[in-house]
Amino acid sequence: AQRVTQPEKLLSVFKGAPVELKCNYSYSGSPELFWYVQYSRQRLQLLLRHISRESIKGFTADLNKGETSFHLKKPFAQEEDSAMYYCALSGRGGRGSTLGRLYFGRGTQLTVWP
Amino acid sequence: DTGVSQNPRHKITKRGQNVTFRCDPISEHNRLYWYRQTLGQGPEFLTYFQNEAQLEKSRLLSDRFSAERPKGSFSTLEIQRTEQGDSAMYLCASSPGGGRGTDTQYFGPGTRLTVL
Repeated sequence: AQRVTQPEKLLSVFKGAPVELKCNYSYSGSPELFWYVQYSRQRLQLLLRHISRESIKGFTADLNKGETSFHLKKPFAQEEDSAMYYCALSGRGGRGSTLGRLYFGRGTQLTVWP
Repeated sequence: DTGVSQNPRHKITKRGQNVTFRCDPISEHNRLYWYRQTLGQGPEFLTYFQNEAQLEKSRLLSDRFSAERPKGSFSTLEIQRTEQGDSAMYLCASSPGGGRGTDTQYFGPGTRLTVL
């Protein structure tokens, strides 16, 4: 069965400290992994996706198929990083295209203290 | 604002009443999705459309729920005979759809439903 697990509901760090938000998944096929972020009073928005191998706002995430993990990391957290972070998974169909639905974890609320 | 829009933003209704929500996707996006989010949980998939065709429905979508996208543009989600358990944030998303590669979903602000 498809499942996305974010074990930490809440995570607090001080400004300048490293931060890692954990995400583990189970999926029988070939998954695509995403991190979505929701800042206070804003809509859910894409932060990054594994296939792009990019760094957004200093965040990176590496897909580890052996450990079925997609942890989100940032070496030096900033106060403006305080938000709710959701890990999400989608299947990949033929020709590498993304299938429809997203499976979300329950989210991790990150608070960065000054 | 050229993003996904949803109306109304808030809806309070009494148990047993019918409600309808509207979603306007990003222009020229072929795919449109509906999700439901309850407190402390991530969004849960309800259904999605490719143009006007409803391609997938979750088991969460009971007989009281119906979604349409008649002309392949905006979509409506109707809940009949609402129950208190229907209270949630209803999110709409759209994506370009089709073709190869990653298909990114863009979310609307949501409609918060409260059933009294």
